[in-house]
Amino acid sequence: QLQLQESGPGLVKPSETLSLTCTVSGGSISSSSYYWGWIRQPPGKGLEWIGSIYYSGSTYYNPSLKSRVTISVDTSKNQFSLKLSSVTAADTAVYYCATETGTTLDFDYWGQGTLVTVSS
Amino acid sequence: QSVLTQPPSVSGAPGQRVTISCTGSSSNIGAGYDVHWYQQLPGTAPKLLIYGNSNRPSGVPDRFSGSKSGTSASLAITGLQAEDEADYYCQSYDSSLSRLFGGGTKLTVL
Repeated sequence: QLQLQESGPGLVKPSETLSLTCTVSGGSISSSSYYWGWIRQPPGKGLEWIGSIYYSGSTYYNPSLKSRVTISVDTSKNQFSLKLSSVTAADTAVYYCATETGTTLDFDYWGQGTLVTVSS
Repeated sequence: QSVLTQPPSVSGAPGQRVTISCTGSSSNIGAGYDVHWYQQLPGTAPKLLIYGNSNRPSGVPDRFSGSKSGTSASLAITGLQAEDEADYYCQSYDSSLSRLFGGGTKLTVL
């Protein structure tokens, strides 16, 4: 059973870059069975997909965030990462990493989430 | 605003049946892409409830069921229980494989 754990700073200054890492256990990040994704949830609001990456390196980004987002995989550490540049207060949210398994591409395993606040 | 439209809230008494709708368009649900449903209890990460329109992961009670027709999908919960009080989200795709979430529905058990 896969387990995912987000890590990274809980406070980021406006205009800086938000960087988070998701550590995967119970499976290989190089497996062709999985996509690896990031989803966020502003306080009191709904879920917003940020982007996903396939084991091959193919990336899929939310068009509304694409210009600021980079998702990458580090196979040596069994981790994948999110970078979101030029952040503002609107980027304050709980950030979840999650995996999509198989052909139905549902988010079946989720990390517990980490709150990132953008403030000076 | 979300591309997939859900009612902001629904409610029902214990034991009753409630449904939550998820309305998309010919660019997503209507194009044949699967719909998935998630349950989010307060203060926790979302949990996969229904995948592939109508399939339940292991451990999800059969009180939960999903269906899809045309440009819409529905989640039905029968035998409502207090523990079902949560936020529910639908999710689908578009042709560029952008993942789309509904705005979420808050279920209140009266």
